[in-house]
Amino acid sequence: QKEVEQDPGPLSVPEGAIVSLNCTYSNSAFQYFMWYRQYSRKGPELLMYTYSSGNKEDGRFTAQVDKSSKYISLFIRDSQPSDSATYLCAMRRHGGSQGNLIFGKGTKLSVKP
Amino acid sequence: KAGVTQTPRYLIKTRGQQVTLSCSPISGHRSVSWYQQTPGQGLQFLFEYFSETQRNKGNFPGRFSGRQFSNSRSEMNVSTLELGDSALYLCASSFSPKETQYFGPGTRLLVL
Repeated sequence: QKEVEQDPGPLSVPEGAIVSLNCTYSNSAFQYFMWYRQYSRKGPELLMYTYSSGNKEDGRFTAQVDKSSKYISLFIRDSQPSDSATYLCAMRRHGGSQGNLIFGKGTKLSVKP
Repeated sequence: KAGVTQTPRYLIKTRGQQVTLSCSPISGHRSVSWYQQTPGQGLQFLFEYFSETQRNKGNFPGRFSGRQFSNSRSEMNVSTLELGDSALYLCASSFSPKETQYFGPGTRLLVL
């Protein structure tokens, strides 16, 4: 079993839809959880960063962490064609460094106008 | 402020050759990490440097090596290239190992 599992998609939604992206993980030592967005031919950019369990909201984006279920989610409200990209979850344990993140394989999202 | 820059952006090599990739971090950043990204394995951690010292190393063979210079610039080297080394190699920098990383655009390596 891989440490981090993420459905690769692709996921296609109409503009304005609510998008739900998810990852599951097996290592209970993970404490820091991140979502990155990667456009084609670009490097990943950090979208959301959360510590331990709970929710975090930033504009149209909401990140949720359920440590009891080892499950994290990213919700995108009012999705736009510019949100079309690959979304990667990443995580690390407490005491680990940011340079040693464990990534999911990414979910490719397409938002149709 | 300029972002992370990586050179070259594209590279074609043949099996058995070696390659050196370069990364210039954001000004002031002293921590640099390298990742390999492939469709099959996704993003995998290669190594992390901070103040010229390797802090962590991923599960890659010894053919993969790296170093960091006093100006925080970093290079990674892959010797005796194999077809499976074809990938996007990403560099990320941060002020310190605990801080948020910022990724460069990557170097796309094709091994024929």
